[in-house]
Amino acid sequence: DAGITQSPRHKVTETGTPVTLRCHQTENHRYMYWYRQDPGHGLRLIHYSYGVKDTDKGEVSDGYSVSRSKTEDFLLTLESATSSQTSVYFCAISESPGGDGNQPQHFGDGTRLSIL
Amino acid sequence: GQNIDQPTEMTATEGAIVQINCTYQTSGFNGLFWYQQHAGEAPTFLSYNVLDGLEEKGRFSSFLSRSKGYSYLLLKELQMKDSASYLCAPHTGFQKLVFGTGTRLLVSP
Repeated sequence: DAGITQSPRHKVTETGTPVTLRCHQTENHRYMYWYRQDPGHGLRLIHYSYGVKDTDKGEVSDGYSVSRSKTEDFLLTLESATSSQTSVYFCAISESPGGDGNQPQHFGDGTRLSIL
Repeated sequence: GQNIDQPTEMTATEGAIVQINCTYQTSGFNGLFWYQQHAGEAPTFLSYNVLDGLEEKGRFSSFLSRSKGYSYLLLKELQMKDSASYLCAPHTGFQKLVFGTGTRLLVSP
């Protein structure tokens, strides 16, 4: 199994509070991703990183920010949480693209976040 | 835009063969991934197709037709532990995947 740890695994918080989720990897992979998974929507990309301090927006980035100060850590912050951000959040990692232009993404165990 | 279509749910019997179809229309296409996700767990990588044709990996095979925007995952000799959701994910750009909503497969004895 890929060495990916997400913390916390579960969190309940109130609307308007800031929330930070952490993804830690021990694989030294260059690429890291944050997804959310909601019924009827599948996995949707929030932000991703292609190196230390290099990040970009995904499909559903509004209301989220990220930071990557070290190869092994990728943080997702909800500056002011809203009930629509209640979801399961997955972190994923991948190596640099191979000869065929891609590498599989490997997922952490997820964080279940409830915003009341 | 991105559109990925998979059946919502399928049922099959232990020992049987099942085919899960995926059709896609995406802006950009470099290949297609299949993932398995058991309830309450993380998705795990099953297969990747970049060229047309069939890729076989034990009990699981995956097929791709780029011209038709079509893929399928074939599961043989079904086991109870194969009950899970199967996610089709076209690779649309540099390290970017777009996931379908998944097909929930129920395997009965």
